[in-house]
Order: sequence, then C-alpha cells, then structure tokens
Amino acid sequence: GENVEQHPSTLSVQEGDSAVIKCTYSDSASNYFPWYKQELGKRPQLIIDIRSNVGEKKDQRIAVTLNKTAKHFSLHITETQPEDSAVYFCAASSSGSARQLTFGSGTQLTVLP
Amino acid sequence: DTEVTQTPKHLVMGMTNKKSLKCEQHMGHRAMYWYKQKAKKPPELMFVYSYEKLSINESVPSRFSPECPNSSLLNLHLHALQPEDSALYLCASSQIGLGQETQYFGPGTRLLVL
Repeated sequence: GENVEQHPSTLSVQEGDSAVIKCTYSDSASNYFPWYKQELGKRPQLIIDIRSNVGEKKDQRIAVTLNKTAKHFSLHITETQPEDSAVYFCAASSSGSARQLTFGSGTQLTVLP
Repeated sequence: DTEVTQTPKHLVMGMTNKKSLKCEQHMGHRAMYWYKQKAKKPPELMFVYSYEKLSINESVPSRFSPECPNSSLLNLHLHALQPEDSALYLCASSQIGLGQETQYFGPGTRLLVL
C-alpha cells in the first residue's frame, strides 16, 4: 500500500517569512496529492491540491510542486501570517471509484508575530 | 449547500452503551468516508462507501458498524467500545471521477469512552 512521509514535524517561522513542507510517497500509481490545514479543534480543510499531470500549482500565497520521478511534493507558503499557524497534512491517492487518501504524519506550523 | 455536517459534536459513552454517529451532505457526492483521528495524528481511514455500497473496510473491529441509508446520509453505529476508541471521528464526502477527488470533511464528533 501507499506510504507517505512528511517533514518537518514542527516548523516555526517569523511572520512574513516563507515556509516549506515536504512529503514523499511510495506508490508510483498515486496521481492526486491534496494538502489539508487543520486548526486546533477544527476539521481538516483543503488548501490546495495537485494532480500528476501538473508540476506546479499556485493559489495566492500558497504553491505546491510535484516531482513524479523522485516521488515527492512540497507545500510552499510565502509571506506567512499568524493565521497560517496550524497543522498541515499532505496526502496521496491513486485512481479508484472512491479515493483512498493516505495522509502524512503532519507538520505543526507556528508563525511568530 | 457546500458542507458536511455531523452530529453529535461531542459524545460520552460507557463501554456497554450503544450509540450512533450521523453524517449528512447535500452536495450530490456519491462517495462517503469515516475517519478516526487521535490527537496530534493524521486522520486514519476506517470505511468508504461508494454509491451507497461499502467499498473499503480497513480492518476495523466489528464494534464499529457503518451504514449508508441513502446517498446523503452516513451513520456509524457504536457498540461495546473500549477506552482506546476515544478519538475524533470525521466524516468526509467526495464526488467520484477523475478531477473530482476532493474530499470535504465534516467538523467531527469528539468521542470519549469511559
């Protein structure tokens, strides 16, 4: 089955700096890679996703890059703000009638004012 | 309606109780999911329903019994749970098909088993 590793487990940055979170996956059949943000006591919320036919995707301050050959993908947050503080999970899944997401272990991001 | 709702928000039950968790979505999604999440851990898949049929059961103990009465509703029946089953139970839904894989999560039910 799929295995997703995520690093770092904790990340502290100063407000305005950039943050990068990296994930690797094991199953070359995986073709969908979402990123979820989960604030304390809240539900996971999708912030960005990428499919295997695309190398990079950007949405305002958030970008995701995918390297299929190396089987890794990364989340980039620029101009971080205190409200970006949360746990971020990467995930991977392959095609199927219903998607089975395999999550990474999570990164606790703290943005210091 | 673009939300997944779950009831109750909190639940405390004894090991001999029977209770049910409820999940509802009105986005026309045909896949629904149950996840279990322990503190500081990622969501862990329990069950997947596809077109109201159970398609994935991740070796979950029989004290958890899922049910999908229709395309909008998903239940999780709980019986004879153990204290280690205390967790946040998340429901999610998604459309089925290439390019429609996004899973939308409900707010969860925080379960405490005494």
